[in-house]
Amino acid sequence: GIQVEQSPPDLILQEGANSTLRCNFSDSVNNLQWFHQNPWGQLINLFYIPSGTKQNGRLSATTVATERYSLLYISSSQTTDSGVYFCAVQTQGGSEKLVFGKGTKLTVNP
Amino acid sequence: SAVISQKPSRDICQRGTSLTIQCQVDSQVTMMFWYRQQPGQSLTLIATANQGSEATYESGFVIDKFPISRPNLTFSTLTVSNMSPEDSSIYLCSVETDRAPYIQYFGAGTRLSVL
Repeated sequence: GIQVEQSPPDLILQEGANSTLRCNFSDSVNNLQWFHQNPWGQLINLFYIPSGTKQNGRLSATTVATERYSLLYISSSQTTDSGVYFCAVQTQGGSEKLVFGKGTKLTVNP
Repeated sequence: SAVISQKPSRDICQRGTSLTIQCQVDSQVTMMFWYRQQPGQSLTLIATANQGSEATYESGFVIDKFPISRPNLTFSTLTVSNMSPEDSSIYLCSVETDRAPYIQYFGAGTRLSVL
C-alpha cells in the first residue's frame, strides 16, 4: 500500500517564528488532507489539497503531485498552533480509506 | 462540511467490560469510518461502515472485538468488547462527503482508558 512519511517528527518554535512541514507519499493520490490535532485530541481539517496551493490566514499548503510531496507552511506561529499535524492521502476518489502519516508534533513556546 | 457528534467524549472502563461509542452526523452520508489512535501514535482505520451492509474491517481488526452498527445514513456505533488495557486509545469516527471532492471530517473522538 501507499506509504506516507512526514518530517520533521518533532518541532519546537518560539512564538512568531515560521515553519515548514513536509509530507512525502509513495504513489499517485486523488486526495490529500492536512489535519491539526489539538491537545484535546480533536482532529481539525486544515486543507484538502491533492494538488496546487491554498492559503488560509497564517497557514498555507502546496502539493506537487508529480513529485509526490506536500508542504504545510505556518507563519507567525502562536501557542495555539501547538499540537500534532497529520498528512493523510487517499489513492482513489471516494470509498477509499485515508492513509495517515505519523505526524509532526509542533510545540510553540511563548 | 459535516458536523459530527461523538459520545462519550471519554470514559474509564474496567477490564472485561464493553463500551459502545456513538457517532451522529448532521447530514446523510454514505461512507462512515472508525479509526483508532493508540497513545502517541497515528490514526489506524478499524473499519468502513456503509448503511445497509456489513462493515468492512481492516487487517488486524475483527467483528467480534469491534462490532459496528450503521442503522441509517446519519448514525453509527462502534463497540469495543471484552476490553483490556491494550484497548486504551482514542477512537474517532469520520464521514466522507458523498460528492467530489471526497473530504473526510472527524468527530472529536472518544478517549478510552481501560484499567
